[in-house]
Amino acid sequence: EPEVTQTPSHQVTQMGQEVILRCVPISNHLYFYWYRQILGQKVEFLVSFYNNEISEKSEIFDDQFSVERPDGSNFTLKIRSTKLEDSAMYFCASSALVGQYFGPGTRLTVL
Amino acid sequence: GENVEQHPSTLSVQEGDSAVIKCTYSDSASNYFPWYKQELGKGPQLIIDIRSNVGEKKDQRIAVTLNKTAKHFSLHITETQPEDSAVYFCAASSLYNQGGKLIFGQGTELSVKP
Repeated sequence: EPEVTQTPSHQVTQMGQEVILRCVPISNHLYFYWYRQILGQKVEFLVSFYNNEISEKSEIFDDQFSVERPDGSNFTLKIRSTKLEDSAMYFCASSALVGQYFGPGTRLTVL
Repeated sequence: GENVEQHPSTLSVQEGDSAVIKCTYSDSASNYFPWYKQELGKGPQLIIDIRSNVGEKKDQRIAVTLNKTAKHFSLHITETQPEDSAVYFCAASSLYNQGGKLIFGQGTELSVKP
């Protein structure tokens, strides 16, 4: 069964450093998403991406965040200058039309 | 703004009993309601979903009901088993916005005791 994959599983970085989180969506899916989950809190929407552009973004997704689909298979989330409050689980998801399928997540720890 | 409230936050049942988790949503434009199961260390797994043109949907031991007038929807798990133990999230979205974002509830930690 096809699944969304994410790398790395855990990323530790220093405050102010740039990080890139990587995702490989399900191959025939057209919509791609990033969500995050701060420990003990709700899963929160960050951004959706379709046809090589951002469809929608939340207030969390400020100028420090960017997304890219650099080739036909990868989908990345970049945080330019990490803050302590960026520490969270980051989930990538993809969908064909209906039904979003999530990856296992990347745990980002900002020290 | 858009919001989804989920109750209870924790739920403990005996194996074989039923479990019910309830959610309410605020955005009248919401018309798609998926449920996710999240096991420790894993991403949310889509287990069942319902659209607003349907009042109830069943898949083996799980069922979802939707009351669009009251903006309530619920997950029902019958004959619970220890492997049902996980955190369950409800979510709401608008299918009019293709690829629309999911607004999640707070999650319910279900514990099924053998």
